[in-house]
Amino acid sequence: QVQLQESGPGLVEPSGTLSLTCAVSGGSISSTNWWSWVRQSPGKGLEYIGEIYQSGSTNYNPSLKTRIIISVDKSKNQFSLTMRSVTAADTAVYYCARRSWGRNYVESWGQGTLVAVSS
Amino acid sequence: EIVLTQSPATLSLSPGESATLSCRASQSIHNYLAWYQQKPGQAPRLLIYDASTRAAGIPARFSGSGSGTDFTLTISNLEPEDFAVYYCQQGSNWPPYTFGQGTKLEIK
Repeated sequence: QVQLQESGPGLVEPSGTLSLTCAVSGGSISSTNWWSWVRQSPGKGLEYIGEIYQSGSTNYNPSLKTRIIISVDKSKNQFSLTMRSVTAADTAVYYCARRSWGRNYVESWGQGTLVAVSS
Repeated sequence: EIVLTQSPATLSLSPGESATLSCRASQSIHNYLAWYQQKPGQAPRLLIYDASTRAAGIPARFSGSGSGTDFTLTISNLEPEDFAVYYCQQGSNWPPYTFGQGTKLEIK
């Protein structure tokens, strides 16, 4: 059973950069999965941020595309989200998640980590 | 971007009753619809995918139906642990996959 665990700062300053990592355990990040980031805020509900395949291929939400990079580190069995130029609107619980190749829904989720954007 | 509209926003029922939750898409999504359950402080949990297929370990009292633009999640014989927020998600059109705004199922 693949398990996911997010980590990263809980507080980021406005105009700064948000960086989160998701550690994958119980399976290989090189398996046939898309590794995803989803966030949840009171104002916008659940929002799909983007995803990466083990080959490095990515899909990004067009509304966030200019500010985000999702990357994978096979040596550490983890993947990461970097979001620049954050504002208070980026305050949310950030989840990492897994979607199997050929499936169009999230099969498993991390527990989530709250990131607040504030000075 | 495909918009999903869930109704009602809140549903108040008693244990033992049946719940009917609706999700409407702004354009046809065929049967590429999933339902998730979320309890306070927890991540969403996959219940139903491809509109009507239960995920592993999901009780038979949860059922999904619909295709095209109109979908329904039915929960029969409500158990106390079923009271939560339910979200639908479309997987027809990327980017991006989108979620509904949620239906809160509360104890009456």
